[in-house]
Amino acid sequence: AQSVTQLDSQVPVFEEAPVELRCNYSSSVSVYLFWYVQYPNQGLQLLLKYLSGSTLVESINGFEAEFNKSQTSFHLRKPSVHISDTAEYFCAVSLRGGYQKVTFGIGTKLQVIP
Amino acid sequence: DVKVTQSSRYLVKRTGEKVFLECVQDMDHENMFWYRQDPGLGLRLIYFSYDVKMKEKGDIPEGYSVSREKKERFSLILESASTNQTSMYLCASSLFPRFHTNNSPLHFGNGTRLTVT
Repeated sequence: AQSVTQLDSQVPVFEEAPVELRCNYSSSVSVYLFWYVQYPNQGLQLLLKYLSGSTLVESINGFEAEFNKSQTSFHLRKPSVHISDTAEYFCAVSLRGGYQKVTFGIGTKLQVIP
Repeated sequence: DVKVTQSSRYLVKRTGEKVFLECVQDMDHENMFWYRQDPGLGLRLIYFSYDVKMKEKGDIPEGYSVSREKKERFSLILESASTNQTSMYLCASSLFPRFHTNNSPLHFGNGTRLTVT
């Protein structure tokens, strides 16, 4: 079975500062990795995903994440955050093949301070 | 754009009531899922379905059942609601069927906040 650990439940950061949200996973087989974002009073939406190929993946709004197989990590980064990035971020993993069952971390609340 | 619609945004029910949470998706997706979201616990999978009339238990199925009579609709049923089922319930769907070599993202509804008193 797979599992996901998000090490920080809350991350406060000043506007225009860089941020890193940490995610580690555990699995005995190859995985797909995802970051989802949840804005207040909304469902989750996909931010970015790693399926194969380049280990660095990017979103359209400036976030990036790097798959590190040796460290079993998929940390999310942004060089300069905006107020609009305030949200809860969930790291998720699913196994290659089989049912498309996705396991989520507990989430990290990013609070951008003006 | 894929639209996943959950019939109620807020529900208040009494202990022991039978509760139905409805979810409809409009993009002919194969897979549908029910999660509950609780502070400090993230999202936990209750049940999922990869085809009409098919269902699989997730990580926390106790106290719940599901129904998928039509491809676009996936219902979560609380047979006898209890206070520990007070939570945010999220429905999701995804495109590719099981054993597909690719992986499609989940598309979520906006959630149903259920309070059991």
